[in-house]
Parts: sequence; C-alpha cells; structure tokens
Amino acid sequence: SQQGEEDPQALSIQEGENATMNCSYKTSINNLQWYRQNSGRGLVHLILIRSNEREKHSGRLRVTLDTSKKSSSLLITASRAADTASYFCATDWYGNKLVFGAGTILRVKS
Amino acid sequence: DAGVTQSPTHLIKTRGQQVTLRCSPKSGHDTVSWYQQALGQGPQFIFQYYEEEERQRGNFPDRFSGHQFPNYSSELNVNALLLGDSALYLCASSPYRLSSPGGYTFGSGTRLTVV
Repeated sequence: SQQGEEDPQALSIQEGENATMNCSYKTSINNLQWYRQNSGRGLVHLILIRSNEREKHSGRLRVTLDTSKKSSSLLITASRAADTASYFCATDWYGNKLVFGAGTILRVKS
Repeated sequence: DAGVTQSPTHLIKTRGQQVTLRCSPKSGHDTVSWYQQALGQGPQFIFQYYEEEERQRGNFPDRFSGHQFPNYSSELNVNALLLGDSALYLCASSPYRLSSPGGYTFGSGTRLTVV
C-alpha cells in the first residue's frame, strides 16, 4: 500500500516559475527521499533528507521535512521545460524498503 | 560507471505464462530491491535481496519469486501471469543498511504487458 499522498496530483506552470509539491506519510521514518521519473521510465534520485533535518538544498531544489506533521515539501525554483516529469516522495526505514506516494505530475510550459 | 541495468526493456506475455526479468546492480552495491509500478501509481515494494537471500518482502503473492547471484545480480520471476501483472518493473540497488546520502539507484525498468 502507498505510504501517503502527494499534493497536488498534477501541476502546470510556466517556465521560470517555482513549483511546490507536498507529501504526507503515515509511519516513523529514518529518511525521506524525492525522485523524478520521466515518461514512465526509471526513477532518478533527487535529494534525501534525514529525520533529524528540517531543510535541505541541492541546486534549484529545496526540501523541508516536518516530522511532527509527517509531511515534506519539494520546491523547484526557476523551473525549466526539462523539469517536466512525475515527482515521487518515498520514505525509508534504515534501508529496508522505500514506500512511495502516488506522485505529482509536473508540466512546465515554455 | 555503469548504473543499474535491467533486461529486457519491453516484454509481452500471455496470461498463465511465466516471465523472468533481470537486473545488474550498480558497481559497489550489494543489495537489490524490486518494485512494481502500475500505470499512474507510485512504485510498490516487492522484495529485497542481500547475500543471496530474500531479506524483506512486500504484499505480493508467492507467484512472485526472486534470486540473487554471487555477483549480486538478480532475477525476478512471476508465474501464472495475470492481466493485473501488467506494469513497469523497477530494480533498485543500494549498499546494505543504507547510510550514505545517495539514495537508491534505479534501473530504467522492464515494461511487462500481459495479454
């Protein structure tokens, strides 16, 4: 079963705008990861945030984690057409398995 | 540096048949996990192999089985195929007891269609 839900299910923005996606989960975690998937192919790891971290940056990506609310957000700044993809959050408990949400479909229009 | 390699990329099978999917992990990784992704959904964990043994298993029937070889490569076998087994099957590799900040490395997947 899915861990939780991503919000929104789909997002359409103009190139240059920021995109924010939210993720909720249900159980205790060791870390939370975000992945990108292009055209139903393989997943690409974007960023990992540990349960004792509140915010993390990587290039144009900013991830926040609120363990009290069991939620995370992914912000992509200055979006590009190449950012068009599905984005998934996944929770991890010490490397045993990833539990994914249903994903957010992002479309960046040029 | 080769990432995770999966074969074949596409496969069409008939209901009731059996299928074998293959995965070679990223160099330096000794743990392989398999995921099933139905259309429009997030991936779901099938099982994980480490030291040639199944270490964790998700909520999948016994028709789904696997194997890991001494070189860490892995196979996923599905018997008595059902239409509902049509999905993208993803292989992910990692160092065991993941402690690095790198996350898992996924292959490009095998698209299985059952007709």
